[in-house]
Amino acid sequence: GQNIDQPTEMTATEGAIVQINCTYQTSGFNGLFWYQQHAGEAPTFLSYNVLDGLEEKGRFSSFLSRSKGYSYLLLKELQMKDSASYLCATMDSNYQLIWGAGTKLIIKP
Amino acid sequence: DVKVTQSSRYLVKRTGEKVFLECVQDMDHENMFWYRQDPGLGLRLIYFSYDVKMKEKGDIPEGYSVSREKKERFSLILESASTNQTSMYLCASSLGGQDTGELFFGEGSRLTVL
Repeated sequence: GQNIDQPTEMTATEGAIVQINCTYQTSGFNGLFWYQQHAGEAPTFLSYNVLDGLEEKGRFSSFLSRSKGYSYLLLKELQMKDSASYLCATMDSNYQLIWGAGTKLIIKP
Repeated sequence: DVKVTQSSRYLVKRTGEKVFLECVQDMDHENMFWYRQDPGLGLRLIYFSYDVKMKEKGDIPEGYSVSREKKERFSLILESASTNQTSMYLCASSLGGQDTGELFFGEGSRLTVL
């Protein structure tokens, strides 16, 4: 079957670093996406990985290991505005997105 | 910037009513999608469309239908609303082709069925 696992909730401190993990099992693989969703708002695209390794984009980085079926989103220098849910999604062999349930990140001062 | 607009942010309907959820995108995207989002679950695909007048069932199409008469507009229809259709409905669009690529989402329509 197809499955995406990510922690339900995480708490971190303003200014710190947090890593949100995502593990997946899908039929075929055409890349992995991370989206950010603030409460009551639309999800917005953060990153896309299709090759192994780390992609850095400002304070946010995303890592992929296809052999391990594993990705993480790394957020540095956390700000209060980073409080949101972070959604992991993989694209399967039919180019359909399979979504995780999301990780709610709470940032404390 | 791509803008995806959903007609209603909040709706309250009664069991058995017909419900229309409208979605319009302004960037000439080929692909459009309807998802529902429920607590503790990932986004679930209801229907999608790769072209005008074309529609494909997603993972949970039962109880829903869609219409895409114009490229920019993708409507979700609940023929006879039921309480288990109480949910947040998200419309999304993407550029084109079979690769769904980056999705642009609307703000969502929160439907409550009493």
